[in-house]
Amino acid sequence: DAGVTQSPTHLIKTRGQQVTLRCSPKSGHDTVSWYQQALGQGPQFIFQYYEEEERQRGNFPDRFSGHQFPNYSSELNVNALLLGDSALYLCASSAEYEQYFGPGTRLTVT
Amino acid sequence: GENVEQHPSTLSVQEGDSAVIKCTYSDSASNYFPWYKQELGKRPQLIIDIRSNVGEKKDQRIAVTLNKTAKHFSLHITETQPEDSAVYFCAAWGNNFNKFYFGSGTKLNVKP
Repeated sequence: DAGVTQSPTHLIKTRGQQVTLRCSPKSGHDTVSWYQQALGQGPQFIFQYYEEEERQRGNFPDRFSGHQFPNYSSELNVNALLLGDSALYLCASSAEYEQYFGPGTRLTVT
Repeated sequence: GENVEQHPSTLSVQEGDSAVIKCTYSDSASNYFPWYKQELGKRPQLIIDIRSNVGEKKDQRIAVTLNKTAKHFSLHITETQPEDSAVYFCAAWGNNFNKFYFGSGTKLNVKP
């Protein structure tokens, strides 16, 4: 049983560019949440997708957008990258209560 | 929305001693409280959780207690080992807000 997977593992982008991160949920999970984790801090909730729709959103600007596909996999898109967007981006999947995290994508913006 | 506070931010114990990490929450509607362990450079891993209809849950050396009246829950690690060294995060979830709020984390250092 595969757990939550994310790609790519690492990514380096330049300010102003756009990036797409991908996540495949754990088998049997239909809900995907995205988090941003800056160094030394806890995960900050970006948004959550359920039934291909954004169900909840945290305090992130519209530059952050997402999508969920019929197979429950999800993408996180960030436009007009800023230096401050450098962080570990975590995807987490859940069915009811239990939430499991993927390994994350380390994004560095230069 | 919910607000989760976690204490202490750092905790250093001797191997074999116990460690306790505490979290408080503000929304009485919160009903699920997981704890995650995050080792350096790795993903947060769910280590134990508790629902609001239970006061205590144990899993080997790890236990979690919940006081709904006081709105706080705690992680207890007994007989600590060096491999317990990591950052621990608490979180709260409720049906009314449908997302997890995380504490700021506790860096646990177990000295051999």
